[in-house]
Amino acid sequence: DSGVTQTPKHLITATGQRVTLRCSPRSGDLSVYWYQQSLDQGLQFLIQYYNGEERAKGNILERFSAQQFPDLHSELNLSSLELGDSALYFCASSDPRAGTIQETQYFGPGTRLLVL
Amino acid sequence: GENVEQHPSTLSVQEGDSAVIKCTYSDSASNYFPWYKQELGKRPQLIIDIRSNVGEKKDQRIAVTLNKTAKHFSLHITETQPEDSAVYFCAARLSNSGYALNFGKGTSLLVTP
Repeated sequence: DSGVTQTPKHLITATGQRVTLRCSPRSGDLSVYWYQQSLDQGLQFLIQYYNGEERAKGNILERFSAQQFPDLHSELNLSSLELGDSALYFCASSDPRAGTIQETQYFGPGTRLLVL
Repeated sequence: GENVEQHPSTLSVQEGDSAVIKCTYSDSASNYFPWYKQELGKRPQLIIDIRSNVGEKKDQRIAVTLNKTAKHFSLHITETQPEDSAVYFCAARLSNSGYALNFGKGTSLLVTP
């Protein structure tokens, strides 16, 4: 168990709908990252938040958005869903203290999204 | 941006043999290279990582080597066991994108008894 939790575990929805995925980082971790894992694209970085602020953006679609709340949990919102959005969505957390140049990312168990 | 290439995509070895997975990266400013193991339906788990100021790191049967000049790094698993069967991902930290990781496409390792 990495200490990172994600809900729900599974989500089945229809095209055009909107869903929200939730992530709680490890206790004390300030950074949350969202990754999408699909069969053909592997693990792709979507977006990172650090202590409530957006820190970096990857290949995140405009239909997707995220936020990190004061208690440090994060939500990933996916809207106008398409069949191709079906994937495993992972969040990871880390503790980037000032002065470090890298830190371990711990992954949550993922949310499996199926768009029908 | 950073581009990480990983080879081979599949690897089958006999129990007890060694397995080697290789990755190359494009951004010379990358300075952190973790390896993750992912079993079917599970989350990626960090198995070993290496910083750019180190050339080699070992942890029991697992070792990672880094060649900064050539921009490649490799995972070595010795005395493989059936429970080593999984998908292995290499990654490089994106130097201009917070601390996000750019992953290779993964290597599916099968260790046969």
